[in-house]
Amino acid sequence: QTVVTQEPSLTVSPGGTVTLTCASTTGAVTSGHYPTWYQQKPGQAPRALIYSTTKKHSWTPARFSGSLLGGKSALTLSGVQPEDEADYYCVLYYGGVQPVVFGGGTKLTVL
Amino acid sequence: VQLEQSRAAVGKPGATVRLSCKVSGYKFTDHNIHWVQQAPGNGLVWMGHVDPKDGETKIAEKFRGRVTVAADTSSGTVYMELRSLTYEDTAVYYCTTFAFCTSVACYPNDGFDMWGQGTVVTVSS
Repeated sequence: QTVVTQEPSLTVSPGGTVTLTCASTTGAVTSGHYPTWYQQKPGQAPRALIYSTTKKHSWTPARFSGSLLGGKSALTLSGVQPEDEADYYCVLYYGGVQPVVFGGGTKLTVL
Repeated sequence: VQLEQSRAAVGKPGATVRLSCKVSGYKFTDHNIHWVQQAPGNGLVWMGHVDPKDGETKIAEKFRGRVTVAADTSSGTVYMELRSLTYEDTAVYYCTTFAFCTSVACYPNDGFDMWGQGTVVTVSS
């Protein structure tokens, strides 16, 4: 069974930079997994920020960026704002019997 | 565009719950509808999907045999039935258009990534 792993929690200071990563037990994450990143705040549905590794939605703040880094998908926040405190989930796409797998999520604290 | 989900549901262990997701604002058959589970304090888990165009479904291995997803084109509503409830099924369930699937793989539906408000299911004796 494929497992997608993320850092359980990270802490960053306001104005700082932080990188969240997303790894797959099947091996290196590539653009062919179409890595997608979601932000979820308490009591709300997830909201997509980054899709297909690097692409942003029209509502995605410029301080969010996606990339591939050392065999993982990465979400980087530059110039973190207090409102960025949230849970972040990556999702990878595979073929076969398990076509969609979410990571366990990263709780980002801005302190 | 809206995905309007049914109200909170309560079920006993071993029982069945049926959740609904009524879509509006777009052509019903244009986008797959997926279901995603989020247990308290836990992450997101993909459960499965239906293609309203032809009714084809794919269910995650974890839920196979317990979950049925179906689309009613006459009402623009997708239903998800979860059987043989256990306490571990206590969760928020979201319907979403976040991906489209072919017979072999799924891909992000980046141009139409919409989510319902979620339905709370509580399993309690």
